[in-house]
Amino acid sequence: RKEVEQDPGPFNVPEGATVAFNCTYSNSASQSFFWYRQDCRKEPKLLMSVYSSGNEDGRFTAQLNRASQYISLLIRDSKLSDSATYLCVVNGGGSQGNLIFGKGTKLSVKP
Amino acid sequence: GAVVSQHPSWVICKSGTSVKIECRSLDFQATTMFWYRQFPKKSLMLMATSNEGSKATYEQGVEKDKFLINHASLTLSTLTVTSAHPEDSSFYICSAARGPDGYTFGSGTRLTVV
Repeated sequence: RKEVEQDPGPFNVPEGATVAFNCTYSNSASQSFFWYRQDCRKEPKLLMSVYSSGNEDGRFTAQLNRASQYISLLIRDSKLSDSATYLCVVNGGGSQGNLIFGKGTKLSVKP
Repeated sequence: GAVVSQHPSWVICKSGTSVKIECRSLDFQATTMFWYRQFPKKSLMLMATSNEGSKATYEQGVEKDKFLINHASLTLSTLTVTSAHPEDSSFYICSAARGPDGYTFGSGTRLTVV
């Protein structure tokens, strides 16, 4: 089983749509979880950390279910500029452990 | 905010030559840096963990003699791809940790070996 699994997509949605991405991770000892955004041929950039209580940042909502080892990202009122690849990322362990990346889910928002 | 500078951003080299990639933390000290590689349509994969003042830790399948890592100061880690071959062509990215949530990425280096 892969360490971090995501649906690769692509998700093609119209502007204004709500879209949800899911991710599962295999290491139950993982403590830190993130969603990163990566534009084509660019470095990943942190979108948001994911907390056990769930967290929201504007149009973006992240949820964590430790029991199911499942992370989600919800994007409301999607914009053209949201088009990118969204990476589910899990800390590999330790206080400064390496990050383990999913393959990413590609989102394309159309006018 | 924390900034990590990586250069060069792209490089084309001939087979058999060596290429050095630098990763600098500009406004913080990074005792640990990570080097990743990303092939087209693939996920970022950790190559090695670079620790200041000690030997790097390489992931399984990554040749330490081919990918030389030096982390001689708290603000600089370098990755040297030795005797590069076309199959080494990839996107290399460094990351510095500032604690469990404080990961900052360099802008990446696109290496093309011809």
